[in-house]
Amino acid sequence: GESVGLHLPTLSVQEGDNSIINCAYSNSASDYFIWYKQESGKGPQFIIDIRSNMDKRQGQRVTVLLNKTVKHLSLQIAATQPGDSAVYFCAEKAGNNRKLIWGLGTSLAVNP
Amino acid sequence: DGGITQSPKYLFRKEGQNVTLSCEQNLNHDAMYWYRQDPGQGLRLIYYSQIVNDFQKGDIAEGYSVSREKKESFPLTVTSAQKNPTAFYLCASSIRGAGGELFFGEGSRLTVL
Repeated sequence: GESVGLHLPTLSVQEGDNSIINCAYSNSASDYFIWYKQESGKGPQFIIDIRSNMDKRQGQRVTVLLNKTVKHLSLQIAATQPGDSAVYFCAEKAGNNRKLIWGLGTSLAVNP
Repeated sequence: DGGITQSPKYLFRKEGQNVTLSCEQNLNHDAMYWYRQDPGQGLRLIYYSQIVNDFQKGDIAEGYSVSREKKESFPLTVTSAQKNPTAFYLCASSIRGAGGELFFGEGSRLTVL
């Protein structure tokens, strides 16, 4: 399943399916992007990051895709598991700005 | 194990009272941050500090104060001037002050009665 991540929708997927969480970023000067996972009642945890000189980066079961032309970022989770249920945040940073700018998050619910 | 410790995890406050949230890290990170999180919203930056004895206001600093007397510690005081203090507060740190990967604590939930 897919969802857009600037408001807080809920993406519901079946266990074992692939998930795609989307994020539209705002600043064309942003050169660093990062995804975090936040489980209920806990602090966010780093998942994966990507710099603007790349368009794809892979981690363990996760892939981040960056399309600078349309200012779009996506997080793909392969073989989604119940433990992946959480809110996922994208964040961006421009080189001359030391602060991360956060998206509003997307809630992922994995159905067993 | 290295990490960030926030305390208390839950805190209740009466209107008009100041409260201080603790944040301690043993990661030897230079930069530390305080964020506020409200339901359905992203993280909003309250204050950040890139080095001991120095800190800067974030996007929503009004009604809050901080200090950075030690590298390991970055306490946040929610003052009575903060009109809507009920929220989930997150402390984070990073290796460099450039805002790359942040390491977060488990958060402190403040409720004003």
